[in-house]
Amino acid sequence: DAKTTQPNSMESNEEEPVHLPCNHSTISGTDYIHWYRQLPSQGPEYVIHGLTSNVNNRMASLAIAEDRKSSTLILHRATLRDAAVYYCILYSGGGADGLTFGKGTHLIIQP
Amino acid sequence: DADVTQTPRNRITKTGKRIMLECSQTKGHDRMYWYRQDPGLGLQLIYYSFDVKDINKGEISDGYSVSRQAQAKFSLSLESAIPNQTALYFCATSPRSGALGDTQYFGPGTRLTVL
Repeated sequence: DAKTTQPNSMESNEEEPVHLPCNHSTISGTDYIHWYRQLPSQGPEYVIHGLTSNVNNRMASLAIAEDRKSSTLILHRATLRDAAVYYCILYSGGGADGLTFGKGTHLIIQP
Repeated sequence: DADVTQTPRNRITKTGKRIMLECSQTKGHDRMYWYRQDPGLGLQLIYYSFDVKDINKGEISDGYSVSRQAQAKFSLSLESAIPNQTALYFCATSPRSGALGDTQYFGPGTRLTVL
C-alpha cells in the first residue's frame, strides 16, 4: 500500500496560516490525496481531497506537487478550534480497503 | 441531529462477555465501516459493508463480527471480549463514488473498556 509521511507535531499561532506537509513518494496514478482531521474526543472529519490540481473549500486548501509525491494542507487563518490531529491519506476509491490512517500530525495552536 | 450515531458512547465490561456496539445513519449511504483506534494511533479497519448483503473483513477482524440489519444500521459484536480490545470504536459511512468521491462520515465513537 502506498504510504504517507507526516511530521508528528506542529505548532502555530492563532490567526496565522498553517502549512501541513505530507510526503507520498510511492503514490500511484489512481490514488486520491485525502485529508481528515480528528478533534479531541471526536471522530475523524473530512477536510479536503484532490487528485492532481490544487483544491480549495471552505475549510482549507490543498496544494499538490506537480509530481504528486507531496502535498500540503493549508489552513489560511488558524483558530483554536483547528487544534487537532491531521491525517493525510492516499485512497484509490471503491471503498475496498477503507481508509488507512497513520499517526497524523498533531497541530497545536497557540493563542 | 447527528447523521451518524453510535450507542453506547461508553461501555465497561468484563473479560469473556459478549458486547454489541450499534451504529445508525440517516445519510442514506450504502457503505458502512467499523474502525478501532488505540491511544496515540490512527484508525484500523475492522469490517466494512457495501450494502445489506455485502460484508467484508478489514485488516483486524479477528475476535469481531458484524451484522448489517438494514441500510441504515451496522452493528459490531465482540463475541468474547478480551482486555486488548479496549479501544475507541468508530463507525463511518460513505456514498457510492461520485462527486464527493469516497468521503467518509464518522460517528462520535464508543469508548470500550474490557476489564
